[in-house]
Amino acid sequence: DAGVIQSPRHEVTEMGQEVTLRCKPISGHNSLFWYRQTMMRGLELLIYFNNNVPIDDSGMPEDRFSAKMPNASFSTLKIQPSEPRDSAVYFCASMGQGLGTEAFFGQGTRLTVV
Amino acid sequence: AQKITQTQPGMFVQEKEAVTLDCTYDTSDPSYGLFWYKQPSSGEMIFLIYQGSYDQQNATEGRYSLNFQKARKSANLVISASQLGDSAMYFCAMREEDSSYKLIFGSGTRLLVRP
Repeated sequence: DAGVIQSPRHEVTEMGQEVTLRCKPISGHNSLFWYRQTMMRGLELLIYFNNNVPIDDSGMPEDRFSAKMPNASFSTLKIQPSEPRDSAVYFCASMGQGLGTEAFFGQGTRLTVV
Repeated sequence: AQKITQTQPGMFVQEKEAVTLDCTYDTSDPSYGLFWYKQPSSGEMIFLIYQGSYDQQNATEGRYSLNFQKARKSANLVISASQLGDSAMYFCAMREEDSSYKLIFGSGTRLLVRP
């Protein structure tokens, strides 16, 4: 397996534009997490899915953020409209069932909103 | 509610010495797992070690060991014989069964290994 794949690796966009981040989890993993990492706030959990169902989106900062997982092999995180304060590294991670399985992280998407 | 606390924003250690990175957690769930991850300057997240709440022995993985003190709710990472390549950000994380396996992270500790 190629691991968790995120795209794009880097995104620079203008304020007000829509941004879509993509994630392909490891096959067979049933949990998928979206995190945002900034210097000020560290690694924040935005939303996570179990078996493609959103379980907890309490970390999503505002209505401008939305996430979907239409099937077991694909998830998106969308920001519309984007703002400069959304600039961060966004990580996707997937895990198998149970407590003892580690989370595998994608390489992250570095988003810059100018 | 689950919570992870790392109180050391930054630490220094001399090469070849051991270092302990602190992690405390809060949970009312008897069934949980604790993880440590390393994030070097290149940005990737690297899994280091795992400890289950029911594990009787402290986890070890090479130079990494986890000092698990359940009553104190602490899960400190011990790195023995530090190497220059250990300089990185280290995150403690917890996953609870009761919260549908939510995985949360502490704020991290930046470790710098001095030659």
